[in-house]
Amino acid sequence: DTEVTQTPKHLVMGMTNKKSLKCEQHMGHRAMYWYKQKAKKPPELMFVYSYEKLSINESVPSRFSPECPNSSLLNLHLHALQPEDSALYLCASSLHPGQGLSGANVLTFGAGSRLTVL
Amino acid sequence: EDKVVQSPLSLVVHEGDTVTLNCSYEVTNFRSLLWYKQEKKAPTFLFMLTSSGIEKKSGRLSSILDKKELFSILNITATQTGDSAIYLCAVDQGAQKLVFGQGTRLTINP
Repeated sequence: DTEVTQTPKHLVMGMTNKKSLKCEQHMGHRAMYWYKQKAKKPPELMFVYSYEKLSINESVPSRFSPECPNSSLLNLHLHALQPEDSALYLCASSLHPGQGLSGANVLTFGAGSRLTVL
Repeated sequence: EDKVVQSPLSLVVHEGDTVTLNCSYEVTNFRSLLWYKQEKKAPTFLFMLTSSGIEKKSGRLSSILDKKELFSILNITATQTGDSAIYLCAVDQGAQKLVFGQGTRLTINP
């Protein structure tokens, strides 16, 4: 299995809803990432988990709450989002969380979850 | 401020043409430079470059890094409509952070 699987592919939610995005990989990767990508912009890093522990939070608003239940799963819990949070949310994984190894940050991306906040 | 700048931002060519995409960078830490292709959704990995002057090649695609002048190029020869995509350049700074460029939107017309 060489894929990162994200669900749902599309999500429409109101500003008062609570929803979750899910990401799964079975490649044995120990780093997992959430990126946000707006139209015609590059991906922006949100969170990084290394060995199931949150290692990077790029000052993301608390209405986004990540969770890493185990080494294969990554969730992003969404609550009280704003319309400007509408974007493509990409999950990615890499083999090693840094460790000075060249190529440790070669990311495998999922297909993304396209979120629309009404 | 760390930055990665790609040019051109957009490029339209005819099938069979050769294209060169550029990526320049100014970062505080450099571990490697990565090229990704993004069609509809997921960016897919193309190349990782760590050493200057060593060309990486995969079929019609090739890439090279110049660490002295701080840039990389991605060449695509004999382009096909399936090469139409956004090509992203990113610098791996270590500490699990990639700095992405804005991307080059390549359109190949039949």
